[in-house]
Formats: sequence, structure tokens, C-alpha cells
Amino acid sequence: DAGVIQSPRHEVTEMGQEVTLRCKPISGHNSLFWYRQTMMRGLELLIYFNNNVPIDDSGMPEDRFSAKMPNASFSTLKIQPSEPRDSAVYFCASAGANEKLFFGSGTQLSVL
Amino acid sequence: KNQVEQSPQSLIILEGKNCTLQCNYTVSPFSNLRWYKQDTGRGPVSLTIMTFSENTKSNGRYTATLDADTKQSSLHITASQLSDSASYICVVRGNTGFQKLVFGTGTRLLVSP
Repeated sequence: DAGVIQSPRHEVTEMGQEVTLRCKPISGHNSLFWYRQTMMRGLELLIYFNNNVPIDDSGMPEDRFSAKMPNASFSTLKIQPSEPRDSAVYFCASAGANEKLFFGSGTQLSVL
Repeated sequence: KNQVEQSPQSLIILEGKNCTLQCNYTVSPFSNLRWYKQDTGRGPVSLTIMTFSENTKSNGRYTATLDADTKQSSLHITASQLSDSASYICVVRGNTGFQKLVFGTGTRLLVSP
């Protein structure tokens, strides 16, 4: 298995633009997470899906952030409009029944 | 408040030496404790997962210990290699839901030749 696949690896955009991050979880995993990592705050959970259903979105900062999981093999995290304070590394992670988390390589987002 | 604190924040050791990283937590009730290794520019990778009943767990040169009574864990690295240079993150799962993992801010380890 190729592991959790995220795209793009790097994204540089201007303030106000829409940003879409993509994630393909490991096949057979039923849990999917979106995390944000910064130097100041470490890893923070944004949203958790179980069997494609959003279970906990309490970490989503505000209405500018939205996430979807239309099927078991694909999820997106969208920021619209983006702001400089959104600059961070965004990770997608998936897990199966044993709850062992596998992380993708992350998307480094820079909002100018 | 559920917290995970790691020490030291950063550490420099010489190649071949051993080191121990510490993790203290206040998460209760407790389900399991995980150690992750994060290389620069990569996502975290699981090293060990320990439940309440496990005191020690090894993964190659990495050995994790857990004292659930004092709510402390340590990660011992034996005969360090340059490739051990990374951040090591302690994560605790309580009983309130899989998504409620509590992350430490990590220890940044540099192994110097």
C-alpha cells in the first residue's frame, strides 16, 4: 500500500484565495483525520470522519474551513477565503480498527 | 484539563550514545499512550502503542516504558544513529473517543556525528 497520499505537497497562495487540500486514505481504513501543525501549537485536530461521516468538527477554526469525504477513498479540506494565519502544515491521517494512525506527508501551506 | 507534557524540548547527543525522552500526562481516564517519530518535512510515524497493562514495549533500538500510576512514560533510544534526528511526539488516548487524542508538543532530537 502506498500509505496516506496528500496533495499538493506545497501550496503558496495569496490572501483571499480559495485553497483545497486533498487526501487519499489507506484502503480499508474507516477513520480519517485532518490535523494542522504549527511550531507554536503542535498538532491540532481539525475534523474527524468515521465511515465517511463527520463525527467531530469542533476543531475547525471558523466557517472559512470546510471538509468533505464523498467516499471512502477521498477527502478534501477547503479554506475560503484563506488568510495569512492559516499558514501551517496540514496533515491527513487514517486508521483502521486497531486505531493505529498513519499520517500522510502533509501539505505545507503558505498564505501571503 | 487533559494535557501531555514532554521534556526536554530539545536535545543534542553524539552518535552512538543513548538518550531518554520523558512524557508526563494528566489524561484521565486513560486508554493508551503512543510515541511517534516525525522526520523533518514528513508526517509522524508510529513507534509504539502501550495500553494500561503494558510497562515496556520495544521497537528495535527504541524502548518505551509506561507507569500508569504516576502517569509517566519514557522513550529510550539505544546506540543513537544520525537517522534518529527527528521530533518525538507523545500522544495519549483517553476513553472519550478515538478522535480525542492529546498530543504533546514533542522533543526535538539532534544526533551529531
